[in-house]
Amino acid sequence: SQQGEEDPQALSIQEGENATMNCSYKTSINNLQWYRQNSGRGLVHLILIRSNEREKHSGRLRVTLDTSKKSSSLLITASRAADTASYFCATLRSGSARQLTFGSGTQLTVLP
Amino acid sequence: NAGVTQTPKFRVLKTGQSMTLLCAQDMNHEYMYWYRQDPGMGLRLIHYSVGEGTTAKGEVPDGYNVSRLKKQNFLLGLESAAPSQTSVYFCASSTSRERVAWQPQHFGDGTRLSIL
Repeated sequence: SQQGEEDPQALSIQEGENATMNCSYKTSINNLQWYRQNSGRGLVHLILIRSNEREKHSGRLRVTLDTSKKSSSLLITASRAADTASYFCATLRSGSARQLTFGSGTQLTVLP
Repeated sequence: NAGVTQTPKFRVLKTGQSMTLLCAQDMNHEYMYWYRQDPGMGLRLIHYSVGEGTTAKGEVPDGYNVSRLKKQNFLLGLESAAPSQTSVYFCASSTSRERVAWQPQHFGDGTRLSIL
């Protein structure tokens, strides 16, 4: 069963705009990770936020986590055409040291 | 540094045929994983391994077998392929160093498998 669900399923924006995608999950988590997947390629890890953190930054990425609402958001600022990809959240459930559960992803298209 | 390499990249099988997908990693990672990715479903864990000689079932293990005879290789086998196994298969690895729960997974570029 899917632990994380992303919203929206697809997002199209102009270059330079910000992109926000959301992830909701069902059970208690150890941490939440975001991955990017370019067309025809494997997933690439972007950022990890622990269950006791509320916000984290990495370059143009900003991730928030609200454990009370069981949700997270990924913000990409000043988007570029190269940011066009699918973005997945993945949760590591409490008590599970090894198994990530992935959501169904958000397809982001950044138009030049 | 190749990272995680999957072979083959593409394969077409007939129902009932068998095949083995190979995953190799050169990062000396302890943990390795096999996922399948279907449209609109995200990635689902098939099997995983926490070290040489050990394997465990994931979310969707039926119809698949795995082996981890060498630390750097993780094989996924389909004994009798079915159309429902048409998918893109991804292998990943991660380190088991301190605080393994915080370690990201490193993915290969996938094997696109069609079962006719």
